[in-house]
Amino acid sequence: KQEVTQIPAALSVPEGENLVLNCSFTDSAIYNLQWFRQDPGKGLTSLLLIQSSQREQTSGRLNASLDKSSGRSTLYIAASQPGDSATYLCAVRRSGGSNYKLTFGKGTLLTVNP
Amino acid sequence: DAGVTQSPTHLIKTRGQQVTLRCSPKSGHDTVSWYQQALGQGPQFIFQYYEEEERQRGNFPDRFSGHQFPNYSSELNVNALLLGDSALYLCASSLRTSGRENEQFFGPGTRLTVL
Repeated sequence: KQEVTQIPAALSVPEGENLVLNCSFTDSAIYNLQWFRQDPGKGLTSLLLIQSSQREQTSGRLNASLDKSSGRSTLYIAASQPGDSATYLCAVRRSGGSNYKLTFGKGTLLTVNP
Repeated sequence: DAGVTQSPTHLIKTRGQQVTLRCSPKSGHDTVSWYQQALGQGPQFIFQYYEEEERQRGNFPDRFSGHQFPNYSSELNVNALLLGDSALYLCASSLRTSGRENEQFFGPGTRLTVL
């Protein structure tokens, strides 16, 4: 059974700091991994998707890496801003033609202080 | 380009009642998945619909059922509501190309409170 763990559960940083969020998964047979952002009481916004054959993806100040063999992914946020404050979730999709579900971690609550 | 929409936004029900939640996928998408997110937890997969059929189901009881219509929109039905069904229900849509599923896009969710 796939299990996804995110560390830390919460993180508070001053504005302008670079930071790293961690995600680990127990089954390395994944099809892809997605990072999401969730504002309080809202839906999920997709940030980055990494296919199993890729090592990293970048979008603006965000960079996500994937090490499938060790079951780890990191989300790097450069020059953090107060507007980055949210919960960040990672989710993996297991490989296999009939597997469609995403398995999520519990998320990291990020607070960026002005 | 309309994203994923869900209705209603909020819903309050009492134990034992039944509820129907609705989802319209992002324009051009043909696959809808439903997730349940309890407070402080990550979303849990309920099931996925494609071509009006349930394709995969998570670890949820038969009280949870769904439907997909020819226009790709979907409904989630929950019977005999329990207090533990209180959660944010999220709908996600995606497009199947060449038999493979692409990135999933989520709607704003429906907050269900069971009293």
